[in-house]
Amino acid sequence: NTKITQSPRYLILGRANKSLECEQHLGHNAMYWYKQSAEKPPELMFLYNLKQLIRNETVPSRFIPECPDSSKLLLHISAVDPEDSAVYFCASSRDRIDERLFFGHGTKLSVL
Amino acid sequence: GDSVTQTEGPVTVSESESLIINCTYSATSIAYPNLFWYVRYPGEGLQLLLKVITAGQKGSSRGFEATYNKETTSFHLQKASVQESDSAVYYCALGDPGTQVVGQLTFGRGTRLQVYA
Repeated sequence: NTKITQSPRYLILGRANKSLECEQHLGHNAMYWYKQSAEKPPELMFLYNLKQLIRNETVPSRFIPECPDSSKLLLHISAVDPEDSAVYFCASSRDRIDERLFFGHGTKLSVL
Repeated sequence: GDSVTQTEGPVTVSESESLIINCTYSATSIAYPNLFWYVRYPGEGLQLLLKVITAGQKGSSRGFEATYNKETTSFHLQKASVQESDSAVYYCALGDPGTQVVGQLTFGRGTRLQVYA
């Protein structure tokens, strides 16, 4: 699946700042960040529609999303915590009421 | 809140055997949720396998089937004859068709399926 690309694939951090990147080539208007911790289901973190943040779940303030254009999504993480170790998935859909999501490969974040 | 419970994995079956992965849901604020099965093959992101939005209807894709049963609040995934290429993690999920809660799916924890030749 090269329609949604995420980088990096793997990330090992101490208490540092880092950004995850996502780009979709599907012409979709809605983009999402999901977090999946070990043995848990994916959980929605942020949802953008047409570059506007419309759902901001209760996530720690050290996670800051950014949507520079409708095809790109960033997730800035500052001062990561061990509980942040997880796989972070980017996803997109045609629009915010289309629940058919297309997911990227994910970025596996390991916090030392 | 809403929740999805599915068969705890791993599920191990031999090729050409039948398969059922159970999924039940609880939707406290949604009368008729949309129901989904997503699949994640090794090294890939999740992808939609099938979707059913009407109670009583069946969805099918790639030989898999699931029927939306509102009475038992279930959406079990079945396949008559699995193949080794079906080895993956399967996620049951529900979504709210209402516009006030859009774009969010509630996923189950996933069921890892391993098919042996």
